[in-house]
Amino acid sequence: DTAVSQTPKYLVTQMGNDKSIKCEQNLGHDTMYWYKQDSKKFLKIMFSYNNKELIINETVPNRFSPKSPDKAHLNLHINSLELGDSAVYFCASSLGGSNTQYFGPGTRLTVL
Amino acid sequence: AQSVAQPEDQVNVAEGNPLTVKCTYSVSGNPYLFWYVQYPNRGLQFLLKYITGDNLVKGSYGFEAEFNKSQTSFHLKKPSALVSDSALYFCAVRDIASSASKIIFGSGTRLSIRP
Repeated sequence: DTAVSQTPKYLVTQMGNDKSIKCEQNLGHDTMYWYKQDSKKFLKIMFSYNNKELIINETVPNRFSPKSPDKAHLNLHINSLELGDSAVYFCASSLGGSNTQYFGPGTRLTVL
Repeated sequence: AQSVAQPEDQVNVAEGNPLTVKCTYSVSGNPYLFWYVQYPNRGLQFLLKYITGDNLVKGSYGFEAEFNKSQTSFHLKKPSALVSDSALYFCAVRDIASSASKIIFGSGTRLSIRP
């Protein structure tokens, strides 16, 4: 009965590869987010979707492409992975944009 | 533009003593303010929020925070710290005047409670 789930939990890959991280929420929320947490624990928003529509798109390289097939899912695809992409990526969801966000457990991405 | 500052990277407190984790913010309109806690290798967990109303907000695990508009602060407090409170704490703000639903997180404060 996990509220916000992410797969995989760990992802180790080589530079130049393409990878995807999946996120699902069963809270009935209409807004979902992707955050990046770097090694210094800074948390930065990357994208936000409301009812499958992109509403926040921060200054993120084009190699990152979010996809929301429905309100309960927000996946993150990353092309041509670089060393600097190594981080923990968190998915979150909320009911409306101003309400409390609930976070997934994170995906630790390591690019070698 | 909205911003949030947590001036202390680390706060050390003895178990049983009161604790305060500081947070100040800057928004052009009125703020929504949040506190989250992150335990090692976990996602962020919501602790409490201020939207409107009473300036003293009570949250999970005995934590509370006081909204101070004149000082633009939203410090997190607990009267008696537990060792299990040791974690990374994030303050966050959203500008109500902003059309986007973006929440800005502070840099985090590591709270360490010694037995």
